[in-house]
Amino acid sequence: GAGVSQSPSNKVTEKGKDVELRCDPISGHTALYWYRQRLGQGLEFLIYFQGNSAPDKSGLPSDRFSAERTGESVSTLTIQRTQQEDSAVYLCASSLDSVSSGNTIYFGEGSWLTVV
Amino acid sequence: RKEVEQDPGPFNVPEGATVAFNCTYSNSASQSFFWYRQDCRKEPKLLMSVYSSGNEDGRFTAQLNRASQYISLLIRDSKLSDSATYLCVVNILSRNTNAGKSTFGDGTTLTVKP
Repeated sequence: GAGVSQSPSNKVTEKGKDVELRCDPISGHTALYWYRQRLGQGLEFLIYFQGNSAPDKSGLPSDRFSAERTGESVSTLTIQRTQQEDSAVYLCASSLDSVSSGNTIYFGEGSWLTVV
Repeated sequence: RKEVEQDPGPFNVPEGATVAFNCTYSNSASQSFFWYRQDCRKEPKLLMSVYSSGNEDGRFTAQLNRASQYISLLIRDSKLSDSATYLCVVNILSRNTNAGKSTFGDGTTLTVKP
Protein backbone atom coordinates (compact mmCIF):
# COMPACT_ATOMS: atom_id res chain seq x y z
CA GLY A 1 0.00 0.00 0.00
CA ALA A 2 0.99 3.60 -0.37
CA GLY A 3 0.66 4.65 3.26
CA VAL A 4 1.47 3.49 6.76
CA SER A 5 -0.80 0.61 7.68
CA GLN A 6 -1.75 -0.32 11.24
CA SER A 7 -3.70 -3.21 12.66
CA PRO A 8 -5.97 -3.79 14.38
CA SER A 9 -7.75 -0.48 13.91
CA ASN A 10 -9.77 -1.11 17.08
CA LYS A 11 -9.11 -3.43 19.98
CA VAL A 12 -11.08 -3.98 23.17
CA THR A 13 -9.30 -6.11 25.73
CA GLU A 14 -9.75 -7.12 29.32
CA LYS A 15 -7.50 -5.71 31.99
CA GLY A 16 -4.50 -7.97 32.51
CA LYS A 17 -4.40 -9.38 28.99
CA ASP A 18 -1.54 -8.83 26.55
CA VAL A 19 -2.05 -7.02 23.24
CA GLU A 20 0.04 -6.76 20.13
CA LEU A 21 -0.24 -3.91 17.67
CA ARG A 22 1.23 -4.03 14.21
CA CYS A 23 2.62 -1.36 11.90
CA ASP A 24 3.60 -1.64 8.25
CA PRO A 25 5.61 1.45 7.32
CA ILE A 26 5.87 2.97 3.88
CA SER A 27 8.22 0.86 1.79
CA GLY A 28 11.79 2.13 1.94
CA HIS A 29 11.28 4.25 5.05
CA THR A 30 14.15 3.67 7.44
CA ALA A 31 12.69 5.49 10.42
CA LEU A 32 9.68 4.26 12.37
CA TYR A 33 8.03 5.84 15.40
CA TRP A 34 5.38 4.72 17.87
CA TYR A 35 3.32 7.30 19.74
CA ARG A 36 0.51 7.09 22.25
CA GLN A 37 -2.26 9.66 22.37
CA ARG A 38 -4.88 9.69 25.09
CA LEU A 39 -8.18 11.40 24.38
CA GLY A 40 -7.78 15.16 24.26
CA GLN A 41 -4.05 15.05 24.89
CA GLY A 42 -0.86 15.48 22.86
CA LEU A 43 1.30 12.84 21.24
CA GLU A 44 3.41 10.89 23.69
CA PHE A 45 6.60 9.52 22.14
CA LEU A 46 7.17 5.83 22.88
CA ILE A 47 9.97 4.44 20.71
CA TYR A 48 11.95 5.24 17.56
CA PHE A 49 13.68 2.85 15.18
CA GLN A 50 16.24 4.10 12.68
CA GLY A 51 17.77 1.63 10.25
CA ASN A 52 20.14 -0.75 11.99
CA SER A 53 20.85 1.57 14.91
CA ALA A 54 19.81 0.68 18.43
CA PRO A 55 16.23 1.88 18.98
CA ASP A 56 15.51 4.90 21.13
CA LYS A 57 13.29 3.42 23.84
CA SER A 58 13.34 6.47 26.07
CA GLY A 59 9.58 7.03 25.83
CA LEU A 60 8.35 3.60 26.88
CA PRO A 61 6.34 4.23 30.07
CA SER A 62 7.03 0.93 31.80
CA ASP A 63 8.54 -2.50 31.26
CA ARG A 64 5.10 -3.74 30.23
CA PHE A 65 5.71 -2.00 26.91
CA SER A 66 8.08 -3.35 24.27
CA ALA A 67 8.51 -3.04 20.53
CA GLU A 68 10.35 -4.89 17.83
CA ARG A 69 11.14 -4.14 14.24
CA THR A 70 12.38 -6.56 11.64
CA GLY A 71 14.95 -4.81 9.50
CA GLU A 72 13.31 -1.84 7.85
CA SER A 73 9.87 -3.37 7.68
CA VAL A 74 7.09 -4.35 10.03
CA SER A 75 7.07 -3.31 13.68
CA THR A 76 5.03 -4.69 16.55
CA LEU A 77 4.25 -2.92 19.81
CA THR A 78 3.40 -5.25 22.66
CA ILE A 79 1.67 -4.24 25.87
CA GLN A 80 1.69 -6.87 28.58
CA ARG A 81 -0.80 -7.09 31.45
CA THR A 82 -2.82 -4.18 30.12
CA GLN A 83 -4.22 -1.59 32.50
CA GLN A 84 -7.12 0.81 31.99
CA GLU A 85 -4.65 3.69 31.77
CA ASP A 86 -3.28 2.09 28.59
CA SER A 87 -6.51 2.98 26.78
CA ALA A 88 -5.50 5.33 23.98
CA VAL A 89 -4.83 5.46 20.27
CA TYR A 90 -1.42 4.10 19.34
CA LEU A 91 -0.04 5.86 16.28
CA CYS A 92 2.74 4.56 14.10
CA ALA A 93 4.66 6.84 11.75
CA SER A 94 7.50 6.40 9.30
CA SER A 95 9.84 8.63 7.37
CA LEU A 96 12.49 8.31 4.71
CA ASP A 97 14.64 10.10 7.21
CA SER A 98 17.35 11.68 5.21
CA VAL A 99 18.35 15.32 5.25
CA SER A 100 17.60 15.56 1.55
CA SER A 101 14.09 14.19 2.04
CA GLY A 102 13.29 16.74 4.69
CA ASN A 103 12.44 14.00 7.18
CA THR A 104 8.69 14.31 6.67
CA ILE A 105 6.77 11.90 8.89
CA TYR A 106 3.72 10.02 7.66
CA PHE A 107 1.24 8.55 10.12
CA GLY A 108 -0.99 5.53 10.06
CA GLU A 109 -4.60 5.85 11.14
CA GLY A 110 -3.82 4.38 14.52
CA SER A 111 -4.87 1.44 16.63
CA TRP A 112 -7.57 2.41 19.12
CA LEU A 113 -7.11 0.40 22.30
CA THR A 114 -9.75 0.17 25.01
CA VAL A 115 -8.96 -1.74 28.19
CA VAL A 116 -12.05 -2.72 30.18
CA ARG B 1 11.63 21.77 30.06
CA LYS B 2 10.09 20.16 26.99
CA GLU B 3 12.13 20.08 23.79
CA VAL B 4 9.27 21.61 21.82
CA GLU B 5 6.76 23.92 23.47
CA GLN B 6 3.51 25.34 22.20
CA ASP B 7 0.74 27.42 23.69
CA PRO B 8 -2.06 24.86 24.02
CA GLY B 9 -4.79 27.45 23.50
CA PRO B 10 -7.59 27.03 22.78
CA PHE B 11 -7.77 29.83 20.28
CA ASN B 12 -11.37 30.74 19.48
CA VAL B 13 -11.66 33.12 16.54
CA PRO B 14 -14.41 34.28 14.20
CA GLU B 15 -14.40 33.41 10.53
CA GLY B 16 -12.16 35.72 8.57
CA ALA B 17 -9.82 36.44 11.46
CA THR B 18 -6.05 36.21 11.31
CA VAL B 19 -4.48 33.98 13.94
CA ALA B 20 -0.86 33.17 14.75
CA PHE B 21 0.72 30.30 16.66
CA ASN B 22 4.23 30.17 18.02
CA CYS B 23 6.42 27.25 18.91
CA THR B 24 9.77 27.28 20.69
CA TYR B 25 12.43 24.57 20.62
CA SER B 26 15.34 24.01 22.96
CA ASN B 27 17.91 22.20 20.81
CA SER B 28 19.94 24.58 18.68
CA ALA B 29 21.06 21.63 16.53
CA SER B 30 17.55 21.23 15.15
CA GLN B 31 17.66 20.82 11.41
CA SER B 32 14.19 20.87 9.95
CA PHE B 33 10.81 22.12 11.01
CA PHE B 34 7.21 21.41 10.14
CA TRP B 35 3.64 22.20 11.01
CA TYR B 36 1.18 19.32 11.17
CA ARG B 37 -2.57 19.47 11.47
CA GLN B 38 -4.63 16.99 13.46
CA ASP B 39 -8.39 16.79 13.19
CA CYS B 40 -10.45 15.31 16.00
CA ARG B 41 -9.92 11.55 16.27
CA LYS B 42 -7.70 11.51 13.18
CA GLU B 43 -3.98 11.06 12.67
CA PRO B 44 -1.71 14.11 12.23
CA LYS B 45 -1.02 15.16 8.67
CA LEU B 46 1.65 17.41 7.24
CA LEU B 47 0.44 20.97 6.74
CA MET B 48 3.67 22.55 5.60
CA SER B 49 7.41 22.53 6.02
CA VAL B 50 9.09 25.60 7.46
CA TYR B 51 12.02 27.05 5.57
CA SER B 52 14.66 29.44 6.82
CA SER B 53 13.51 32.18 4.50
CA GLY B 54 9.88 31.71 5.47
CA ASN B 55 7.29 30.24 3.18
CA GLU B 56 3.68 30.70 2.22
CA ASP B 57 1.00 28.30 1.05
CA GLY B 58 -2.22 30.10 0.26
CA ARG B 59 -3.60 31.52 3.51
CA PHE B 60 -0.85 29.90 5.58
CA THR B 61 2.56 31.45 6.28
CA ALA B 62 5.32 29.75 8.23
CA GLN B 63 8.42 31.43 9.57
CA LEU B 64 11.57 30.29 11.33
CA ASN B 65 13.73 32.33 13.67
CA ARG B 66 16.86 30.30 14.40
CA ALA B 67 18.44 32.93 16.62
CA SER B 68 15.47 32.91 18.98
CA GLN B 69 14.66 29.25 18.33
CA TYR B 70 11.03 29.58 17.44
CA ILE B 71 8.78 28.93 14.50
CA SER B 72 5.42 30.45 13.75
CA LEU B 73 2.32 29.73 11.74
CA LEU B 74 0.03 32.49 10.53
CA ILE B 75 -3.43 31.73 9.19
CA ARG B 76 -5.21 34.52 7.34
CA ASP B 77 -8.91 34.74 6.56
CA SER B 78 -9.76 31.80 8.85
CA LYS B 79 -12.33 29.27 7.64
CA LEU B 80 -14.54 27.01 9.69
CA SER B 81 -12.61 24.10 8.19
CA ASP B 82 -9.38 25.39 9.76
CA SER B 83 -10.64 24.22 13.16
CA ALA B 84 -8.12 21.61 14.29
CA THR B 85 -5.06 21.11 16.46
CA TYR B 86 -1.82 22.41 14.98
CA LEU B 87 1.34 20.55 15.92
CA CYS B 88 4.84 21.95 15.71
CA VAL B 89 7.53 19.42 14.74
CA VAL B 90 11.28 19.77 15.07
CA ASN B 91 13.74 17.33 13.57
CA ILE B 92 17.16 16.95 15.17
CA LEU B 93 19.98 15.33 13.25
CA SER B 94 21.78 12.65 15.22
CA ARG B 95 25.55 12.66 14.75
CA ASN B 96 25.63 8.98 15.65
CA THR B 97 23.28 7.80 12.95
CA ASN B 98 23.42 10.76 10.54
CA ALA B 99 19.66 10.61 10.55
CA GLY B 100 17.02 12.78 12.15
CA LYS B 101 14.60 12.24 14.97
CA SER B 102 11.39 14.22 14.99
CA THR B 103 9.91 15.69 18.15
CA PHE B 104 6.33 16.94 18.35
CA GLY B 105 4.88 19.73 20.43
CA ASP B 106 1.63 19.07 22.28
CA GLY B 107 -0.32 21.16 19.80
CA THR B 108 -2.40 24.32 19.75
CA THR B 109 -6.14 23.96 19.36
CA LEU B 110 -7.95 26.34 17.03
CA THR B 111 -11.71 26.75 16.80
CA VAL B 112 -13.07 29.00 14.09
CA LYS B 113 -16.66 30.11 14.72
CA PRO B 114 -19.26 31.53 12.33
